[in-house]
Amino acid sequence: DTAVSQTPKYLVTQMGNDKSIKCEQNLGHDTMYWYKQDSKKFLKIMFSYNNKELIINETVPNRFSPKSPDKAHLNLHINSLELGDSAVYFCASSRQGGDTEAFFGQGTRLTVV
Amino acid sequence: GNSVTQMEGPVTLSEEAFLTINCTYTATGYPSLFWYVQYPGEGLQLLLKATKADDKGSNKGFEATYRKETTSFHLEKGSVQVSDSAVYFCALTDQTGANNLFFGTGTRLTVIP
Repeated sequence: DTAVSQTPKYLVTQMGNDKSIKCEQNLGHDTMYWYKQDSKKFLKIMFSYNNKELIINETVPNRFSPKSPDKAHLNLHINSLELGDSAVYFCASSRQGGDTEAFFGQGTRLTVV
Repeated sequence: GNSVTQMEGPVTLSEEAFLTINCTYTATGYPSLFWYVQYPGEGLQLLLKATKADDKGSNKGFEATYRKETTSFHLEKGSVQVSDSAVYFCALTDQTGANNLFFGTGTRLTVIP
């Protein structure tokens, strides 16, 4: 069983479209995250959710919105896609506590054309 | 604030060479420190961690020691293999309970036979 799974793995779409990336974890973790990895491999946290409450929201455009229907899911919705949104997006989860390991999904490569 | 400064890559080594990837950090309080590895086409996975000063994390022949006096967590391996080719990320979490992982920029390692 995959611990953290995200779909789709690849997403190609046109500018201006709205798209969603889904993430599910079966580890029973309390906290889930979305990270953006740019072409230079730099990782930046976008959001984290703890017990369905947003606790971190970095300076990302409000076109990006996380949606958590339950503790095991954290989906990423993106409106009005722009060329600069092209990147690999990673979902992750962890237990409570700063010394615990984060488990990452395989990533979704988003290409905006 | 919290930040991680990591040695710029890429690093290219011959098989069986000694590896060091430098990592220093800035943090409030007493962070936990991590090394994550990203193999081609995959998500990140934890390589090793250390949660307090002078702790040594080790896994798969890799080691890193939490040095509070120099705020460092350098990654070392005595003899690298071709299969170690990947991108390595140094990271920290603070102790505020938010579980936010702060990543370095990543160092790409290529090991040639």
